Amino acid sequence: KQEVTQIPAALSVPEGENLVLNCSFTDSAIYNLQWFRQDPGKGLTSLLLIQSSQREQTSGRLNASLDKSSGRSTLYIAASQPGDSATYLCAVRISGGYNKLIFGAGTRLAVHP
Amino acid sequence: EPEVTQTPSHQVTQMGQEVILRCVPISNHLYFYWYRQILGQKVEFLVSFYNNEISEKSEIFDDQFSVERPDGSNFTLKIRSTKLEDSAMYFCASSPSPEGVYNSPLHFGNGTRLTVT
Repeated sequence: KQEVTQIPAALSVPEGENLVLNCSFTDSAIYNLQWFRQDPGKGLTSLLLIQSSQREQTSGRLNASLDKSSGRSTLYIAASQPGDSATYLCAVRISGGYNKLIFGAGTRLAVHP
Repeated sequence: EPEVTQTPSHQVTQMGQEVILRCVPISNHLYFYWYRQILGQKVEFLVSFYNNEISEKSEIFDDQFSVERPDGSNFTLKIRSTKLEDSAMYFCASSPSPEGVYNSPLHFGNGTRLTVT
């Protein structure tokens, strides 16, 4: 059974720091991996999607890497800003015709001025 | 930018009552989903829906749950007889193609917080 774990559970940093959020999954047979952002009282916003054949994806200050064989992904946030404060969720879509995402518990990020 | 909209934002109901959560997916999307998040827990898949039928459901999605696309725009989740443990945030999502295929991520609504008393 696929399990997704995110470390750390919470992170508090001063503005301007570069951050790394970690995600690990137990079964490497995934179709893709997605990173989401969740703001309090809001839905989930997709940030980056990495297909299983890809190694990384970049969007602005965000860079996500995927090492499928070792069951790991990292989300790198460059030059963090207070507006980056949110919970970041990692989710994998398992292969084999399944049509659902398995989520991690998230990393709660606070960036203070 | 098109959005998935969910109503109501908060629903309070008594145990044993029926509740219907409503969603309007993005108009050209073909695949629809319900997920839920119990407070302090992970987001969990409930059901996916395509071409007017359920394509996959989780073990959570038992006979008390049903989904429907009653017209061309709405997508609903019905809980027949609510239990205390059904209290959660329920998220509707849609995508133009199966999740992640052809680089099409899911688009989530803001959720309906269901409180069962």
